[in-house]
Amino acid sequence: KNQVEQSPQSLIILEGKNCTLQCNYTVSPFSNLRWYKQDTGRGPVSLTIMTFSENTKSNGRYTATLDADTKQSSLHITASQLSDSASYICVVSGLPGGYQKVTFGTGTKLQVIP
Amino acid sequence: DAGVIQSPRHEVTEMGQEVTLRCKPISGHDYLFWYRQTMMRGLELLIYFNNNVPIDDSGMPEDRFSAKMPNASFSTLKIQPSEPRDSAVYFCASSPGGPHGELFFGEGSRLTVL
Repeated sequence: KNQVEQSPQSLIILEGKNCTLQCNYTVSPFSNLRWYKQDTGRGPVSLTIMTFSENTKSNGRYTATLDADTKQSSLHITASQLSDSASYICVVSGLPGGYQKVTFGTGTKLQVIP
Repeated sequence: DAGVIQSPRHEVTEMGQEVTLRCKPISGHDYLFWYRQTMMRGLELLIYFNNNVPIDDSGMPEDRFSAKMPNASFSTLKIQPSEPRDSAVYFCASSPGGPHGELFFGEGSRLTVL
C-alpha cells in the first residue's frame, strides 16, 4: 500500500530560526513529490514540485530536497517568519499517471513564535 | 483569476438533514476534485472528474454521498442523510492536468453535523 509519512507531527520554533521537515514515502513507481503549505482555515497551496531527476529545489526561503533512492524528501525553512506558521503536507504521485495515484501525508504543523 | 470558489464556508446541520456543498473551479481547468480533511485521516480523495465526467469515485464513503458536475464551471457534493461522523472540512480542488498537474484548492467548507 502506498504510504507517505511525515515527521515531526508538530514543531515549535523561534522566529528567525531554521527548521527541517521530513517526508518518507513508499509510493512506487514514483512520478513526483510536492510540498503544500496549508494556513489555518485555508486550502493547501503548492510550494514546490520535485521530479525523479531533481534533488534540490528552492522557492524563496523554502528549499526542498529529494533522495529517490531512499524515498525521502525534506523541506528546509530558512530564517523562519511568523507567517510560516502552518501545516506542511507532503504529496507523492505514483505511476502510471492518474490522480488515483496521489498519496497525501498527514502533515507537519509548524508554529513560529516571537 | 478568483481561484476555486466554495460555498458555504461553514455549515451546521442536524443529523438526518441533507447537505449540499458547491464548487466553482478555475476556468480552463479540466479536472475537479472533492477531498475530505479530518485531524485523524488528513486529506482523502472522495471523487474526481475529468471534463465533467466522474473518473474515480472509489473514495466516496457510502451511498449517502453523491457528486455531480453538470457543466465545466459547477460541481456539487451532496450528503443525504447526514451523520455526525461526516463532520469534516470538505475541499474542492481543480487542476489543469498534465503529468505534474498542480492542485488548486478552494478555502473549504467546514461541516458540523450535530
